[in-house]
Amino acid sequence: GESVGLHLPTLSVQEGDNSIINCAYSNSASDYFIWYKQESGKGPQFIIDIRSNMDKRQGQRVTVLLNKTVKHLSLQIAATQPGDSAVYFCAETLFSGGYNKLIFGAGTRLAVHP
Amino acid sequence: GAGVSQTPSNKVTEKGKYVELRCDPISGHTALYWYRQSLGQGPEFLIYFQGTGAADDSGLPNDRFFAVRPEGSVSTLKIQRTERGDSAVYLCASSLRGPSGVNEQFFGPGTRLTVL
Repeated sequence: GESVGLHLPTLSVQEGDNSIINCAYSNSASDYFIWYKQESGKGPQFIIDIRSNMDKRQGQRVTVLLNKTVKHLSLQIAATQPGDSAVYFCAETLFSGGYNKLIFGAGTRLAVHP
Repeated sequence: GAGVSQTPSNKVTEKGKYVELRCDPISGHTALYWYRQSLGQGPEFLIYFQGTGAADDSGLPNDRFFAVRPEGSVSTLKIQRTERGDSAVYLCASSLRGPSGVNEQFFGPGTRLTVL
């Protein structure tokens, strides 16, 4: 079937290298941000999140950086593995009331080469 | 089931036909969302249900699109008089709804709709 990342910008890295994926978000009022990973034929899968009162958050092999001044997010993946190959989306929303309409960015395809 | 399921996984129809897409959320999740993902783009919000009611349908593109969730669990997205531009992957997500803050949305695999 067709890849969800067919027309997306692609980041190609060697296995074991670190990857940095960038995202510009649109709404200066957004106060909660999430990175998703989407493999071909599957729905988006939560990776890591960050609230606007933080500028950095670390998970297992992943780090998210937030720069509110320029409305920019980045996702850093350490020691990239072939299984990390997928399309990555950032999403923004408002942290309120348990209802969260996600606004997704355009996405970046990550290709990991052995 | 363990996750959100969507049926059918693929649907091919002809221009002008009516289609229904089904979403089975995670058991106990009161919030349900529909998104549409066109090729090469991120998902776009369509509609949000809290229980049986559509709390926000601001993302539905026009009145050919309608969604229901009559018993607060399974939801059906209905598209009348389909057009070629409706071709996309339709994603469903569900989450718990806590008193405040963000509740993680769990996505289904999507239904790929192709309108010929």
